[in-house]
Amino acid sequence: DAMVIQNPRYQVTQFGKPVTLSCSQTLNHNVMYWYQQKSSQAPKLLFHYYDKDFNNEADTPDNFQSRRPNTSFCFLDIRSPGLGDTAMYLCATTVGQYQETQYFGPGTRLLVL
Amino acid sequence: AQSVTQPDIHITVSEGASLELRCNYSYGATPYLFWYVQSPGQGLQLLLKYFSGDTLVQGIKGFEAEFKRSQSSFNLRKPSVHWSDAAEYFCAVGQGGGNKLTFGTGTQLKVEL
Repeated sequence: DAMVIQNPRYQVTQFGKPVTLSCSQTLNHNVMYWYQQKSSQAPKLLFHYYDKDFNNEADTPDNFQSRRPNTSFCFLDIRSPGLGDTAMYLCATTVGQYQETQYFGPGTRLLVL
Repeated sequence: AQSVTQPDIHITVSEGASLELRCNYSYGATPYLFWYVQSPGQGLQLLLKYFSGDTLVQGIKGFEAEFKRSQSSFNLRKPSVHWSDAAEYFCAVGQGGGNKLTFGTGTQLKVEL
Protein backbone atom coordinates (compact mmCIF):
# COMPACT_ATOMS: atom_id res chain seq x y z
CA ASP A 1 0.00 0.00 0.00
CA ALA A 2 1.29 3.41 -0.92
CA MET A 3 2.33 5.40 2.13
CA VAL A 4 3.12 8.68 0.40
CA ILE A 5 0.90 9.75 -2.46
CA GLN A 6 1.64 12.67 -4.72
CA ASN A 7 -0.76 14.30 -7.14
CA PRO A 8 -0.60 14.95 -9.92
CA ARG A 9 2.26 12.82 -11.18
CA TYR A 10 2.81 15.16 -14.11
CA GLN A 11 1.94 18.83 -14.32
CA VAL A 12 2.44 21.30 -17.11
CA THR A 13 1.98 24.97 -16.38
CA GLN A 14 2.71 28.26 -18.07
CA PHE A 15 5.30 30.76 -17.00
CA GLY A 16 3.85 32.80 -14.16
CA LYS A 17 0.70 30.71 -13.69
CA PRO A 18 0.34 29.52 -10.08
CA VAL A 19 0.45 25.81 -9.48
CA THR A 20 -0.22 23.61 -6.45
CA LEU A 21 1.24 20.18 -5.87
CA SER A 22 -0.29 17.80 -3.36
CA CYS A 23 1.16 15.21 -1.02
CA SER A 24 -0.59 12.90 1.40
CA GLN A 25 0.70 10.25 3.74
CA THR A 26 -1.12 7.37 5.34
CA LEU A 27 1.25 6.95 8.26
CA ASN A 28 -0.02 9.84 10.37
CA HIS A 29 3.57 10.89 11.04
CA ASN A 30 4.62 14.29 12.28
CA VAL A 31 7.32 15.15 9.78
CA MET A 32 6.90 15.92 6.10
CA TYR A 33 9.42 17.22 3.61
CA TRP A 34 9.36 18.86 0.20
CA TYR A 35 12.33 18.50 -2.13
CA GLN A 36 13.10 19.91 -5.54
CA GLN A 37 15.16 17.76 -7.86
CA LYS A 38 16.37 19.15 -11.15
CA SER A 39 17.56 16.93 -13.94
CA SER A 40 20.69 14.94 -13.07
CA GLN A 41 20.97 16.58 -9.65
CA ALA A 42 20.48 15.48 -6.07
CA PRO A 43 17.25 16.37 -4.29
CA LYS A 44 17.36 19.77 -2.64
CA LEU A 45 15.32 20.35 0.50
CA LEU A 46 12.87 23.24 0.19
CA PHE A 47 11.18 23.02 3.60
CA HIS A 48 9.87 20.61 6.15
CA TYR A 49 7.19 20.41 8.79
CA TYR A 50 7.34 19.00 12.24
CA ASP A 51 3.65 18.85 13.07
CA LYS A 52 2.51 22.34 12.13
CA ASP A 53 5.93 23.83 12.80
CA PHE A 54 7.13 25.05 9.41
CA ASN A 55 10.86 25.13 8.65
CA ASN A 56 12.00 26.94 5.55
CA GLU A 57 15.48 26.40 4.13
CA ALA A 58 17.43 29.61 3.94
CA ASP A 59 17.85 29.46 0.17
CA THR A 60 14.30 28.46 -0.72
CA PRO A 61 12.87 31.20 -2.95
CA ASP A 62 9.90 33.19 -1.66
CA ASN A 63 8.05 32.01 -4.73
CA PHE A 64 7.65 28.64 -3.00
CA GLN A 65 5.11 28.33 -0.23
CA SER A 66 3.65 25.42 1.64
CA ARG A 67 0.54 24.55 3.61
CA ARG A 68 -0.20 21.68 5.92
CA PRO A 69 -3.87 21.74 6.84
CA ASN A 70 -3.68 18.46 8.78
CA THR A 71 -1.24 15.66 9.56
CA SER A 72 -2.01 13.74 6.41
CA PHE A 73 -1.79 16.44 3.77
CA CYS A 74 0.83 18.88 2.65
CA PHE A 75 0.77 21.25 -0.34
CA LEU A 76 3.48 22.99 -2.30
CA ASP A 77 2.39 26.23 -3.92
CA ILE A 78 4.51 27.89 -6.56
CA ARG A 79 3.11 31.38 -6.89
CA SER A 80 4.73 32.46 -10.14
CA PRO A 81 6.61 29.58 -11.73
CA GLY A 82 9.63 30.38 -13.81
CA LEU A 83 11.28 28.21 -16.45
CA GLY A 84 13.94 27.32 -13.89
CA ASP A 85 11.31 25.70 -11.67
CA THR A 86 10.94 22.81 -14.10
CA ALA A 87 11.89 19.85 -11.93
CA MET A 88 10.73 16.80 -10.06
CA TYR A 89 9.16 17.63 -6.73
CA LEU A 90 9.44 14.97 -4.08
CA CYS A 91 7.51 14.66 -0.87
CA ALA A 92 8.68 12.50 2.03
CA THR A 93 7.71 11.51 5.51
CA THR A 94 9.61 9.56 8.12
CA VAL A 95 9.46 5.90 9.07
CA GLY A 96 11.35 3.68 11.47
CA GLN A 97 11.45 3.19 15.20
CA TYR A 98 12.85 6.67 15.78
CA GLN A 99 11.40 8.17 12.60
CA GLU A 100 14.95 8.36 11.37
CA THR A 101 14.38 7.22 7.80
CA GLN A 102 12.82 9.30 5.06
CA TYR A 103 10.27 7.56 2.88
CA PHE A 104 9.61 9.23 -0.45
CA GLY A 105 6.59 9.48 -2.65
CA PRO A 106 6.75 8.90 -6.40
CA GLY A 107 7.18 12.58 -7.16
CA THR A 108 5.47 15.15 -9.35
CA ARG A 109 7.24 16.10 -12.53
CA LEU A 110 6.57 19.77 -13.24
CA LEU A 111 7.18 21.37 -16.60
CA VAL A 112 6.99 25.15 -16.89
CA LEU A 113 6.53 26.43 -20.44
CA ALA B 1 28.25 20.89 8.47
CA GLN B 2 27.69 17.43 7.16
CA SER B 3 28.54 16.58 3.56
CA VAL B 4 28.52 13.59 1.23
CA THR B 5 30.80 12.88 -1.71
CA GLN B 6 30.10 10.39 -4.45
CA PRO B 7 33.22 10.54 -6.58
CA ASP B 8 31.84 8.59 -9.54
CA ILE B 9 29.25 10.42 -11.62
CA HIS B 10 28.80 7.58 -14.10
CA ILE B 11 29.65 3.89 -13.85
CA THR B 12 29.14 1.23 -16.51
CA VAL B 13 29.29 -2.47 -15.69
CA SER B 14 28.43 -5.63 -17.57
CA GLU B 15 25.48 -7.65 -16.43
CA GLY B 16 26.68 -10.29 -13.99
CA ALA B 17 29.73 -8.31 -12.94
CA SER B 18 30.25 -7.07 -9.41
CA LEU B 19 29.55 -3.47 -8.45
CA GLU B 20 30.89 -1.03 -5.91
CA LEU B 21 29.63 2.53 -5.61
CA ARG B 22 31.68 4.83 -3.45
CA CYS B 23 30.43 7.22 -0.81
CA ASN B 24 32.41 9.36 1.61
CA TYR B 25 30.84 11.50 4.27
CA SER B 26 31.79 14.23 6.65
CA TYR B 27 29.97 14.39 9.95
CA GLY B 28 31.01 15.16 13.48
CA ALA B 29 29.23 12.35 15.30
CA THR B 30 28.08 8.87 14.41
CA PRO B 31 26.09 9.37 11.28
CA TYR B 32 22.89 7.86 10.03
CA LEU B 33 23.77 6.66 6.53
CA PHE B 34 21.48 5.74 3.69
CA TRP B 35 21.56 4.53 0.12
CA TYR B 36 18.63 5.34 -2.14
CA VAL B 37 17.98 4.28 -5.72
CA GLN B 38 16.01 6.27 -8.27
CA SER B 39 14.74 4.95 -11.58
CA PRO B 40 13.95 7.49 -14.30
CA GLY B 41 10.89 9.56 -13.49
CA GLN B 42 10.41 7.88 -10.12
CA GLY B 43 10.85 8.77 -6.47
CA LEU B 44 13.65 7.60 -4.23
CA GLN B 45 13.56 4.05 -2.92
CA LEU B 46 15.52 3.13 0.18
CA LEU B 47 18.03 0.35 -0.43
CA LEU B 48 19.57 0.15 3.01
CA LYS B 49 20.60 2.15 6.05
CA TYR B 50 23.15 2.13 8.83
CA PHE B 51 22.77 3.57 12.31
CA SER B 52 24.86 1.40 14.59
CA GLY B 53 25.94 -2.16 15.24
CA ASP B 54 27.20 -4.49 12.55
CA THR B 55 29.07 -2.40 10.02
CA LEU B 56 28.02 -4.59 7.11
CA VAL B 57 24.37 -4.01 6.34
CA GLN B 58 22.17 -5.89 3.96
CA GLY B 59 19.51 -4.23 1.89
CA ILE B 60 16.94 -4.99 -0.71
CA LYS B 61 17.62 -6.29 -4.22
CA GLY B 62 20.82 -8.06 -3.12
CA PHE B 63 22.70 -4.88 -2.17
CA GLU B 64 24.95 -4.48 0.84
CA ALA B 65 27.05 -1.66 2.23
CA GLU B 66 29.92 -1.45 4.66
CA PHE B 67 30.44 1.38 7.12
CA LYS B 68 34.12 2.16 7.68
CA ARG B 69 34.54 4.84 10.30
CA SER B 70 38.30 5.14 9.78
CA GLN B 71 37.75 5.96 6.11
CA SER B 72 34.50 7.90 6.55
CA SER B 73 33.04 5.67 3.88
CA PHE B 74 29.83 3.80 3.24
CA ASN B 75 30.30 2.01 -0.07
CA LEU B 76 27.50 0.12 -1.75
CA ARG B 77 28.16 -3.29 -3.26
CA LYS B 78 26.42 -5.99 -5.23
CA PRO B 79 28.09 -9.25 -6.24
CA SER B 80 26.25 -9.66 -9.55
CA VAL B 81 24.50 -6.81 -11.29
CA HIS B 82 21.25 -7.27 -13.19
CA TRP B 83 20.13 -5.14 -16.11
CA SER B 84 17.25 -3.86 -13.95
CA ASP B 85 19.77 -2.27 -11.57
CA ALA B 86 20.43 0.50 -14.07
CA ALA B 87 19.39 3.66 -12.22
CA GLU B 88 20.78 6.55 -10.23
CA TYR B 89 22.09 5.87 -6.76
CA PHE B 90 22.25 8.44 -3.98
CA CYS B 91 24.15 8.21 -0.74
CA ALA B 92 22.85 10.37 2.10
CA VAL B 93 23.76 11.24 5.66
CA GLY B 94 21.27 12.29 8.30
CA GLN B 95 21.13 13.15 11.95
CA GLY B 96 18.25 10.83 12.67
CA GLY B 97 15.05 11.56 14.49
CA GLY B 98 13.38 12.99 11.44
CA ASN B 99 16.16 15.44 10.77
CA LYS B 100 17.30 16.58 7.37
CA LEU B 101 19.25 14.48 4.93
CA THR B 102 22.29 15.63 3.02
CA PHE B 103 22.56 13.87 -0.32
CA GLY B 104 25.53 13.16 -2.49
CA THR B 105 25.38 14.19 -6.12
CA GLY B 106 24.49 10.67 -7.23
CA THR B 107 26.06 7.96 -9.36
CA GLN B 108 24.39 6.98 -12.61
CA LEU B 109 24.73 3.23 -13.19
CA LYS B 110 24.54 1.80 -16.68
CA VAL B 111 24.43 -1.95 -17.19
CA GLU B 112 25.65 -3.45 -20.44
CA LEU B 113 24.04 -6.65 -21.60
